Amino acid sequence: QKEVEQNSGPLSVPEGAIASLNCTYSDRVSQSFFWYRQYSGKSPELIMSIYSNGDKEDGRFTAQLNKASQYVSLLIRDSQPSDSATYLCASSDSNYQLIWGAGTKLIIKP
Amino acid sequence: EPEVTQTPSHQVTQMGQEVILRCVPISNHLYFYWYRQILGQKVEFLVSFYNNEISEKSEIFDDQFSVERPDGSNFTLKIRSTKLEDSAMYFCASSEGLGSSGGNEKLFFGSGTQLSVL
Repeated sequence: QKEVEQNSGPLSVPEGAIASLNCTYSDRVSQSFFWYRQYSGKSPELIMSIYSNGDKEDGRFTAQLNKASQYVSLLIRDSQPSDSATYLCASSDSNYQLIWGAGTKLIIKP
Repeated sequence: EPEVTQTPSHQVTQMGQEVILRCVPISNHLYFYWYRQILGQKVEFLVSFYNNEISEKSEIFDDQFSVERPDGSNFTLKIRSTKLEDSAMYFCASSEGLGSSGGNEKLFFGSGTQLSVL
């Protein structure tokens, strides 16, 4: 059974601090990994994708991938109250179907 | 910016009734998807559609469900005889393609249809 695991949270981070979100996946052949942000009652919105080991930075967001450990993370620098949302991790399997985690609820406290 | 549009935003129906959820994917996208999310739970894959046929479907997508692309723009999900447990947010999504070459498998989601079965 292919799984993507995330801590459901909530993860509470003070405004301006770094928020660190983590995700593990079970399918070793997964090649593509995604972080989606979902505000309550809204649809998921893609914020980062990563395909290679290492770090990928986009503005305040950094995605990190470690295929040996089957681990993906998302760092949000200078956290803002508007970053408060549920963050969904997803991996793409050999059939290019997304396997979704249950999401981590992030709360940024002013 | 191009977007996936879904109608209606809310649908209330009686158990046993048929519903059709509508989606207009992004115009140059080739792959279309339906997902659902029960309140507070994971996003669940229902079905993917490419080249006018279903390419993958999950266990959830049983004989009560069907999809159609009746014309060049619409993509519909039909639930033939709704059950209470079909109550969920249904998301349509589309992507340019598959595979990690250039990330063309990135999904763009519509804003969803909240289906309530009474």
